[in-house]
Amino acid sequence: GAVVSQHPSWVICKSGTSVKIECRSLDFQATTMFWYRQFPKQSLMLMATSNEGSKATYEQGVEKDKFLINHASLTLSTLTVTSAHPEDSSFYICSATGAQGYTFGSGTRLTVV
Amino acid sequence: KQEVTQIPAALSVPEGENLVLNCSFTDSAIYNLQWFRQDPGKGLTSLLLIQSSQREQTSGRLNASLDKSSGRSTLYIAASQPGDSATYLCAVPTGTASKLTFGTGTRLQVTL
Repeated sequence: GAVVSQHPSWVICKSGTSVKIECRSLDFQATTMFWYRQFPKQSLMLMATSNEGSKATYEQGVEKDKFLINHASLTLSTLTVTSAHPEDSSFYICSATGAQGYTFGSGTRLTVV
Repeated sequence: KQEVTQIPAALSVPEGENLVLNCSFTDSAIYNLQWFRQDPGKGLTSLLLIQSSQREQTSGRLNASLDKSSGRSTLYIAASQPGDSATYLCAVPTGTASKLTFGTGTRLQVTL
């Protein structure tokens, strides 16, 4: 079946630093990838949609200069949280779409201290 | 704007019980509806996908139904087991970009 690999699974960083999260589709080409954010005991909130080779489309209220998304190939999308602050601490999940429908990564727990 | 709501928000049942999770959506013009499971601190696992032309889908002990006209879907879990404990989310594609709009989730705990 379709597999999406997301790394790292957890990361702790100092306030002011940047963190990169990778999302790879292992056995299919992902025309579109989505990035979500999830706070404790809440549902997933879409942050942005990325298509290979084009700029990401951000949801209202999401700072594109803070959450940089790159979708350089049909199998890789990255989310970089720049100048991270404690309020950016959250669970980030990617999703990729292909012929099989939606497949989700295992998520990344980001803690900014 | 599509809004997806799930009831109940949390549910605790003893092992062996049959249970029903509810999902309602405000815009009935959907292509499909999907049910996911999320374990604590993990990503999402797809359980069932119902196309708009279908009324139900079954996988093992799980059965999902869809009533587009009333904007509702239910996930039926038969003979619940402690391993079923997780958060269950329903989601519908929204807009031309096929973005998923997620429900509020139901946290299920199955006790011994």
